[in-house]
Amino acid sequence: DAGVTQSPTHLIKTRGQQVTLRCSPKSGHDTVSWYQQALGQGPQFIFQYYEEEERQRGNFPDRFSGHQFPNYSSELNVNALLLGDSALYLCASSITQGGVSTEAFFGQGTRLTVV
Amino acid sequence: GDSVTQMEGPVTLSEEAFLTINCTYTATGYPSLFWYVQYPGEGLQLLLKATKADDKGSNKGFEATYRKETTSFHLEKGSVQVSDSAVYFCALPSGGYQKVTFGTGTKLQVIP
Repeated sequence: DAGVTQSPTHLIKTRGQQVTLRCSPKSGHDTVSWYQQALGQGPQFIFQYYEEEERQRGNFPDRFSGHQFPNYSSELNVNALLLGDSALYLCASSITQGGVSTEAFFGQGTRLTVV
Repeated sequence: GDSVTQMEGPVTLSEEAFLTINCTYTATGYPSLFWYVQYPGEGLQLLLKATKADDKGSNKGFEATYRKETTSFHLEKGSVQVSDSAVYFCALPSGGYQKVTFGTGTKLQVIP
């Protein structure tokens, strides 16, 4: 059973560019959350998608947007990249039952470096 | 809002030493509490959890007890191994697990 898979594993972008990160949830999971983990810090919640809609959002600017597809996979898009966006981006998947999500399983992450 | 405070690292121990990593939290109500582990170059793995006060979560020799009176969830292991070297995160979910709030992490290095 494949767990949460993310692509690419590493990415280097130039300041001002746009980037798209991808996530496939664990089999049977329907909910995807995205986190940003800066070096030496704990992950920070960006947003969560369920039924192809953003369900909750953390304290991140509108440059961060996302999408969930009918097969439950998800994309994270970041526009107008800043040097401070350099981080490990983690995707987590879970199951929503009765409006409540189960515990999350995390992928290995995408390491984004903005130069 | 919800928050988690962890003891700062890094923590360096000799193999077979006793480990304690302190974690305290601030939250509305009585949330579940988690410890996640991140091995070098990898994502997060759920190490253990407790869902209500006085519960003890345990896994791979690690234990943590949910203490409501002290709002704490300290991680302990009686005898660490080199393979336990990793970063450990205390965390609490909120809003029906919709968002997980993490501590800043504690890096553990175990030397032979």
